[in-house]
Amino acid sequence: DAGVTQSPTHLIKTRGQQVTLRCSPKSGHDTVSWYQQALGQGPQFIFQYYEEEERQRGNFPDRFSGHQFPNYSSELNVNALLLGDSALYLCASSRTGLAGEQYFGPGTRLTVT
Amino acid sequence: GESVGLHLPTLSVQEGDNSIINCAYSNSASDYFIWYKQESGKGPQFIIDIRSNMDKRQGQRVTVLLNKTVKHLSLQIAATQPGDSAVYFCAENRENYGQNFVFGPGTRLSVLP
Repeated sequence: DAGVTQSPTHLIKTRGQQVTLRCSPKSGHDTVSWYQQALGQGPQFIFQYYEEEERQRGNFPDRFSGHQFPNYSSELNVNALLLGDSALYLCASSRTGLAGEQYFGPGTRLTVT
Repeated sequence: GESVGLHLPTLSVQEGDNSIINCAYSNSASDYFIWYKQESGKGPQFIIDIRSNMDKRQGQRVTVLLNKTVKHLSLQIAATQPGDSAVYFCAENRENYGQNFVFGPGTRLSVLP
């Protein structure tokens, strides 16, 4: 049984560009959450998707958007990249209602130059 | 692999000794807490959780203590092993408030041979 997978593993972008990160949840999971983890810090909640809709959002600007597909996979889009967007982006999946049982993927390391 | 937490507080313990990792949480309304372990190149991994109606919970080699009066959480690892070396995060959540977990800054545990 595959766990949470994310792609790509690493990505380098230039300021002002746009990026799309992808996540496939663990089998049986229908809820996907995205976190940003800056170096030396704990993960920060960006938003969560369930039934193809954004259900909850953290304190992130509108430049951060997402999507969930009918197969529960998800994308995170970041527009107009800033140097400060450089971080590890983590995807976590769970079954709705079971908040604690979220499984994290290995993350995508985004570097903005 | 991915390097997490280059400037985190570090706890160094001798192999076989017990480890205690502490965490101060921020929201007195939080009622659900999780400890995560994050190894280099991987996403956070669930260790143990506790709800606010408990003050202690035990797992295999791990114990979590919760002191709501001073908003303090601790993770005790018995007979620490080299495989326990990682960054440890506490995360807090308000039940029925979605899955917006707030992570602490993390502590790096280093197990000495």
